[in-house]
Amino acid sequence: DAGVIQSPRHEVTEMGQEVTLRCKPISGHNSLFWYRQTMMRGLELLIYFNNNVPIDDSGMPEDRFSAKMPNASFSTLKIQPSEPRDSAVYFCASSLGGQDNQPQHFGDGTRLSIL
Amino acid sequence: SQKIEQNSEALNIQEGKTATLTCNYTNYSPAYLQWYRQDPGRGPVFLLLIRENEKEKRKERLKVTFDTTLKQSLFHITASQPADSATYLCALLSGGSYIPTFGRGTSLIVHP
Repeated sequence: DAGVIQSPRHEVTEMGQEVTLRCKPISGHNSLFWYRQTMMRGLELLIYFNNNVPIDDSGMPEDRFSAKMPNASFSTLKIQPSEPRDSAVYFCASSLGGQDNQPQHFGDGTRLSIL
Repeated sequence: SQKIEQNSEALNIQEGKTATLTCNYTNYSPAYLQWYRQDPGRGPVFLLLIRENEKEKRKERLKVTFDTTLKQSLFHITASQPADSATYLCALLSGGSYIPTFGRGTSLIVHP
């Protein structure tokens, strides 16, 4: 089975530009998570969707960040305008909903560098 | 505030020995604890889950313990191999929550 697919794997762009990260969750999973990982802060949850609906976006840093899930097989995380402090690895993960002990399946992340 | 602590220093061990990694937490009453493995440039991969009423869980060469009194989980890899070298993260979940809180991970280096 295909795992969680993220694109692009790497993104380098200049400060102020819009950045869009994409995620395709595992088919049949109805929970989707966006995380950011840095050396300083580790793995931080940004937003959690269940059945395509945002449930918890308390981790979204500020209004420059937005996330959408238009259907069960696709999600985007957008940063506009981007800043150097947004540089990090962004992970998407999916899991089966319905039980609170389900493991998360992660993609291989997007390494984002804002110059 | 809730806090999860994993040793930030890398653990270096010799091949064949048992590696033991620690996950401590405070201000938290998790119902479940998960362990993940992360290789460089890859996302975390789920390894094991243990429930609060379980003392120990095993899977092949892996063993996890969960002590809710000490607020600690230990992750053991027996007969370690260089291929076990990776960063290992613990994650805690409260009952009824779908959102785990991750520790920052401990790097394990197994020397041949």
